[in-house]
Amino acid sequence: LAKTTQPISMDSYEGQEVNITCSHNNIATNDYITWYQQFPSQGPRFIIQGYKTKVTNEVASLFIPADRKSSTLSLPRVSLSDTAVYYCLVVGMDTGRRALTFGSGTRLQVQP
Amino acid sequence: EAGVAQSPRYKIIEKRQSVAFWCNPISGHATLYWYQQILGQGPKLLIQFQNNGVVDDSQLPKDRFSAERLKGVDSTLKIQPAKLEDSAVYLCASSSRDRAQNIQYFGAGTRLSVL
Repeated sequence: LAKTTQPISMDSYEGQEVNITCSHNNIATNDYITWYQQFPSQGPRFIIQGYKTKVTNEVASLFIPADRKSSTLSLPRVSLSDTAVYYCLVVGMDTGRRALTFGSGTRLQVQP
Repeated sequence: EAGVAQSPRYKIIEKRQSVAFWCNPISGHATLYWYQQILGQGPKLLIQFQNNGVVDDSQLPKDRFSAERLKGVDSTLKIQPAKLEDSAVYLCASSSRDRAQNIQYFGAGTRLSVL
């Protein structure tokens, strides 16, 4: 099955910038990369989405290199409320078939 | 607008029993997804519907899991019989079109404990 890899956990302090990378070696050619945030006992919530280069919205930036085999979610100036699990979602190619694949998630802990 | 509704929020059953989960997607969303999320893991797609047709059910354990989406709106996911390893959160999501760039909106999930 398509493989999507993320660091298990990261620690940061309030006000710092946090970068979380996801590797997705067999991403499908024409599909986007999407990042979600999940709090305990809730479903994932959309953060940002991109196809290539850089995308920025009011909460995050997404950097995608030209080969699209990885992506980096950047959270500027994190606060305690950003403590959550972050997932990348890609459409990978698995034996010629498109497969929606979530990463294993990165648990971000923000300290005061 | 109203979000994705799921029920029940919690369910406890014994192994070999049956269980069903219900999902009501966001109004007008043609695509509906069921995911299984085991504790500490990312969601795993079980089945994807486009209207009332199945797009992808390659990871659905069809010997015990079934899902339907009658009339292309609400959906139910059933497990019969349940096994201990089915203990997980079952998430339903919907999006407006069957393309990966469309944002998925998730419900809060149903937490299933199989004893």
